[in-house]
Amino acid sequence: DTGVSQNPRHKITKRGQNVTFRCDPISEHNRLYWYRQTLGQGPEFLTYFQNEAQLEKSRLLSDRFSAERPKGSFSTLEIQRTEQGDSAMYLCASSSSPGFSPLIYNEQFFGPGTRLTVL
Amino acid sequence: GNSVTQMEGPVTLSEEAFLTINCTYTATGYPSLFWYVQYPGEGLQLLLKATKADDKGSNKGFEATYRKETTSFHLEKGSVQVSDSAVYFCALSDNSSNTGKLIFGQGTTLQVKP
Repeated sequence: DTGVSQNPRHKITKRGQNVTFRCDPISEHNRLYWYRQTLGQGPEFLTYFQNEAQLEKSRLLSDRFSAERPKGSFSTLEIQRTEQGDSAMYLCASSSSPGFSPLIYNEQFFGPGTRLTVL
Repeated sequence: GNSVTQMEGPVTLSEEAFLTINCTYTATGYPSLFWYVQYPGEGLQLLLKATKADDKGSNKGFEATYRKETTSFHLEKGSVQVSDSAVYFCALSDNSSNTGKLIFGQGTTLQVKP
């Protein structure tokens, strides 16, 4: 399977615990994105990597959240001291870089997501 | 800032009915526009896209035209099927930022009854 994979698919944790999610992008894609989707809403951007460099973080990403992409391949998203408000679907997407023209779009391919429930 | 607004759902139609899901946007620069679909239990899939004004994206019988004058990108299909039942998301990418991040609308649930 050459699609984007995410693990685990479901995570139930107690408030105050730390959780870590993993995303494996399509192998030749150098861009990787994390989004969060709450019930009844569209996905919201969290952060973006180009290769191993984290180039943008949303204000939604509080200091309890940290993301890494150590070798420019897979990525992890860690949430420390989880809160009930962190309950959501966490989506990962990957794409290749556009060409020299910024108007050339490259499709983002989404993984199935990790559903987090904080009790 | 950039934003996307979609019509609220759910939209309930009978099979073979005509579908329109409205989408309007606010953006600086020259965004690319997309429709994504999320079938029950599955991840987001790109349905169609348009990268400049007056472009028409089309796929699987769905169409949407990038209208800069009305800042709209309405999704249409002439004859829906039960298998089209899903959640549809309109999204934009602000090309001037060069990150490619997507800004999504809240989603519209489509239910097609046989």
